[in-house]
Amino acid sequence: NAGVTQTPKFRVLKTGQSMTLLCAQDMNHEYMYWYRQDPGMGLRLIHYSVGEGTTAKGEVPDGYNVSRLKKQNFLLGLESAAPSQTSVYFCASTETGGSYNEQFFGPGTRLTVL
Amino acid sequence: GESVGLHLPTLSVQEGDNSIINCAYSNSASDYFIWYKQESGKGPQFIIDIRSNMDKRQGQRVTVLLNKTVKHLSLQIAATQPGDSAVYFCAENSRYSSASKIIFGSGTRLSIRP
Repeated sequence: NAGVTQTPKFRVLKTGQSMTLLCAQDMNHEYMYWYRQDPGMGLRLIHYSVGEGTTAKGEVPDGYNVSRLKKQNFLLGLESAAPSQTSVYFCASTETGGSYNEQFFGPGTRLTVL
Repeated sequence: GESVGLHLPTLSVQEGDNSIINCAYSNSASDYFIWYKQESGKGPQFIIDIRSNMDKRQGQRVTVLLNKTVKHLSLQIAATQPGDSAVYFCAENSRYSSASKIIFGSGTRLSIRP
């Protein structure tokens, strides 16, 4: 199993450009998450999904959109990138919901917005 | 409000010594705690977890201690090795919330002196 994979690994955008980050998991997990990690800070939840076709807002959803058309994929979109969105983005998945579930993380995507 | 934080942002230990990383939480409803290890350029990796009905849990070279009275948990790493160099995060969740409510601390960087 590859676990959780993310593409691309690195990306540089100009302010106002758009892009989509792809997350894929091969563990048949129901729940998937997008986080951002800024220097000296913990992970902050952007959006999450509790199953195929569902999405929900997390702690910092503004400026981002997501889609979960297939169970194994969770896409994070930036419609009009801003320098404040410069960050490292992590995708994660869990088998089910509930509190006692280990989250499996992808390797991250480092995004710079100029 | 809810918060999960760490007493020290950095910790330097001699190779072979034991490491102790501390974490404080403020949500009395938290009943599940997780420690993650994040190596440079990688996503967080699950180390060990503990439920609130336990005070101590041991893994391979790692021990997590939970003190619910003072809302404090710690991660102990025995015989610290160079490969233990990483940022360590604590995270907490509550049985009354879903996995989407996991709250991450800001992390402690552990460095190993030869």
